[in-house]
Amino acid sequence: AQSVTQLDSQVPVFEEAPVELRCNYSSSVSVYLFWYVQYPNQGLQLLLKYLSGSTLVKGINGFEAEFNKSQTSFHLRKPSVHISDTAEYFCAVSLFSGGSNYKLTFGKGTLLTVNP
Amino acid sequence: DSGVTQTPKHLITATGQRVTLRCSPRSGDLSVYWYQQSLDQGLQFLIQYYNGEERAKGNILERFSAQQFPDLHSELNLSSLELGDSALYFCASSVDETANGNEQFFGPGTRLTVL
Repeated sequence: AQSVTQLDSQVPVFEEAPVELRCNYSSSVSVYLFWYVQYPNQGLQLLLKYLSGSTLVKGINGFEAEFNKSQTSFHLRKPSVHISDTAEYFCAVSLFSGGSNYKLTFGKGTLLTVNP
Repeated sequence: DSGVTQTPKHLITATGQRVTLRCSPRSGDLSVYWYQQSLDQGLQFLIQYYNGEERAKGNILERFSAQQFPDLHSELNLSSLELGDSALYFCASSVDETANGNEQFFGPGTRLTVL
């Protein structure tokens, strides 16, 4: 079984401050990892994903995430946030099983609120 | 705009009723996924279709069913509705059969309110 834990349900920060949104997963096999963002009243949009290779992944809007296999984590970071980054962020894991994979499991989400 | 369309945007109905949610995937995408987003359960995978065939099932209730038509649009049917079915229902699409590392493109969702 696989599960995703987002450790913070809400993260308030000031504009131009750095932010880290934490995500841990549990899986007994290799996984693919994703971060999605949901702006108010919109669907989800992919920020970045880790499939293999370099453990530091860069995504859109200046976000990046680091895959840490030993700690089973995939934390999302941005060095300087903007008001427009206010949104809900979802970490997701996709089980890799040699071709029959078909399911994304999402964390509960972290609401990032950027204040002026 | 992801290219995935969902109708209707909002739906208000009463307990015991049946509703149908519709989704059109991005042009060229063969897989359609349905998700339910609620405050208590978060975002939960319901079911996936690929080129007209059911591929995977998640936490989908027996009162719910779905299908994908030859033109690749999909419908999610919810019957004998209960108050707890009130949620945001998302459709997503992707080009491939599996969700290994492929991005799923999400529609704007249908907000269902059961009174």
